[in-house]
Amino acid sequence: DGGITQSPKYLFRKEGQNVTLSCEQNLNHDAMYWYRQDPGQGLRLIYYSQIVNDFQKGDIAEGYSVSREKKESFPLTVTSAQKNPTAFYLCASSGDRSVQGYTFGSGTRLTVV
Amino acid sequence: QKEVEQDPGPLSVPEGAIVSLNCTYSNSAFQYFMWYRQYSRKGPELLMYTYSSGNKEDGRFTAQVDKSSKYISLFIRDSQPSDSATYLCAMSAHSGAGSYQLTFGKGTKLSVIP
Repeated sequence: DGGITQSPKYLFRKEGQNVTLSCEQNLNHDAMYWYRQDPGQGLRLIYYSQIVNDFQKGDIAEGYSVSREKKESFPLTVTSAQKNPTAFYLCASSGDRSVQGYTFGSGTRLTVV
Repeated sequence: QKEVEQDPGPLSVPEGAIVSLNCTYSNSAFQYFMWYRQYSRKGPELLMYTYSSGNKEDGRFTAQVDKSSKYISLFIRDSQPSDSATYLCAMSAHSGAGSYQLTFGKGTKLSVIP
């Protein structure tokens, strides 16, 4: 079955560490997105990518970095510059028809310890 | 004014009740409207989408769009405990190929009590 796989499901980060969240899709979608979800704040866009080797900052890109070397993969690195990284991170992708909306992964819960 | 407003709830209803979830928006360019359901600690899943004003029905779910009032609704009939989740509205102005941005509401948390 086609879908988006995020790993790990839970991730713990020590202060000052960089961590990388994985996102892989087999839907043949061109566009991919990273969102952060905090209680009461809804979904906030971190980065998005329309095609391989191209990505754009979203609303809250500071302290995060991404790469898009393959169509299927869009990893997110949470750097030590991100001061409040504890959150639920969601990866999504979209195809070439707007009415299909986004397909989301199951998320990664990142906690700073 | 935020682009999309959605009452966060929480909303608690007895099993079998009719549920009404709503969003208002300010951007008249929005033309694609979606509802996502998100269970706790899971990713959102697309529940319904619609393009034009009017109603779209799928089983116990009805999506309603009123572009003149910039108002969308999701109705759930005969609500079940399994409907307990957070419901997010989303909308887009894009109509072509490639990447496009969805604008999300903050979500309404629904609990259906047995």
